[in-house]
Amino acid sequence: SQQGEEDPQALSIQEGENATMNCSYKTSINNLQWYRQNSGRGLVHLILIRSNEREKHSGRLRVTLDTSKKSSSLLITASRAADTASYFCATDPETSGSRLTFGEGTQLTVNP
Amino acid sequence: DAEITQSPRHKITETGRQVTLACHQTWNHNNMFWYRQDLGHGLRLIHYSYGVQDTNKGEVSDGYSVSRSNTEDLPLTLESAASSQTSVYFCASSPGPVGELFFGEGSRLTVL
Repeated sequence: SQQGEEDPQALSIQEGENATMNCSYKTSINNLQWYRQNSGRGLVHLILIRSNEREKHSGRLRVTLDTSKKSSSLLITASRAADTASYFCATDPETSGSRLTFGEGTQLTVNP
Repeated sequence: DAEITQSPRHKITETGRQVTLACHQTWNHNNMFWYRQDLGHGLRLIHYSYGVQDTNKGEVSDGYSVSRSNTEDLPLTLESAASSQTSVYFCASSPGPVGELFFGEGSRLTVL
């Protein structure tokens, strides 16, 4: 079964709005990563947050991690049409030997 | 620039045929991974390697094999293709035990 589960499965917003995607996981982790996938392309790494970190920023991206709730969120501020893509969380479980486990993704559509 | 390339990008084959998908990276990364991506399942790990002559089974390894004879390449072989192996296959690499994955653009395989 998938370690990470994203919520919602699909999200449609207007340009300029913020987009929030959530990820829940089941077992203790070393780190959690977020990836982006444009249609028909490979995944691209966005940000990594370690288990001892609570929040991390990168440009318009803000990631939070709550290890007590086994959950993470990805916030994209001031979204643009070019942010339209699928977003995946990936967890590095403590017992995995550095093998990432991916969720099913959130499909984000940003309407111009 | 360093990169990771997959070939072929698209392939159609028949049930029972042997198929090999190539993956070549110029990052000089020790870790390489093969995932398959299917609707409703996200990305699932097929096989992975932590270095030359090292190969390991992932979550969905049945019907697949890999070999690692050098740092740059990790070919994925389907010994006898089945319709259930119709999918998009992604190769990825990473420099060490913790950190981001670098993905190829994917190989779309259709088994008729």
